[in-house]
Amino acid sequence: GAVVSQHPSWVICKSGTSVKIECRSLDFQATTMFWYRQFPKQSLMLMATSNEGSKATYEQGVEKDKFLINHASLTLSTLTVTSAHPEDSSFYICSASPPPTSSGANVLTFGAGSRLTVL
Amino acid sequence: AQTVTQSQPEMSVQEAETVTLSCTYDTSESDYYLFWYKQPPSRQMILVIRQEAYKQQNATENRFSVNFQKAAKSFSLKISDSQLGDAAMYFCAYRSPIFGNEKLTFGTGTRLTIIP
Repeated sequence: GAVVSQHPSWVICKSGTSVKIECRSLDFQATTMFWYRQFPKQSLMLMATSNEGSKATYEQGVEKDKFLINHASLTLSTLTVTSAHPEDSSFYICSASPPPTSSGANVLTFGAGSRLTVL
Repeated sequence: AQTVTQSQPEMSVQEAETVTLSCTYDTSESDYYLFWYKQPPSRQMILVIRQEAYKQQNATENRFSVNFQKAAKSFSLKISDSQLGDAAMYFCAYRSPIFGNEKLTFGTGTRLTIIP
């Protein structure tokens, strides 16, 4: 089945530094990937849609300059949290869906998530 | 915009019994996909079951089944013969059928506890 790998699973950084999170589709090509954010005991909130070869589409209220998304290849999307502050501490999850012609189409597969703690 | 509502923040069930988790949604689209995802303490999102709106037949996956009422915009999950491993957060989710717009809209979740 479709597998999405996310790295790192846990990162701690100092306030003011930047952190990059990678999301890879291991056995399929994904022209579109999605980044979600989840606060403790809450649901997943879509942050942005990552489009291969073009700019990401951000949801209302999400700062583009704070959360930089790059989707340079069909198997890799990255989320960079720039100048991180304690309020950026959260659980970030990426997801992707295999192409319509594949057996896993129409089902989003999720990475294992990345827990970011900003000190 | 689509919205998904889960009115049960917490549910509990005795092991081996049956439990039903509720979900309602709002959309103006006629075709769409609905999902139930499970999030155990590891926080890995796991697909439990999916339903295509154009299919009248309710989806089933082993002990998991849904009651899909399109007119009522209701999509409940029934778990039969509950097991300890079923304990998790359960999220109902909606997805548009448009390729390239596969983003999921999630409900607020239901925390399911299994009582031994």
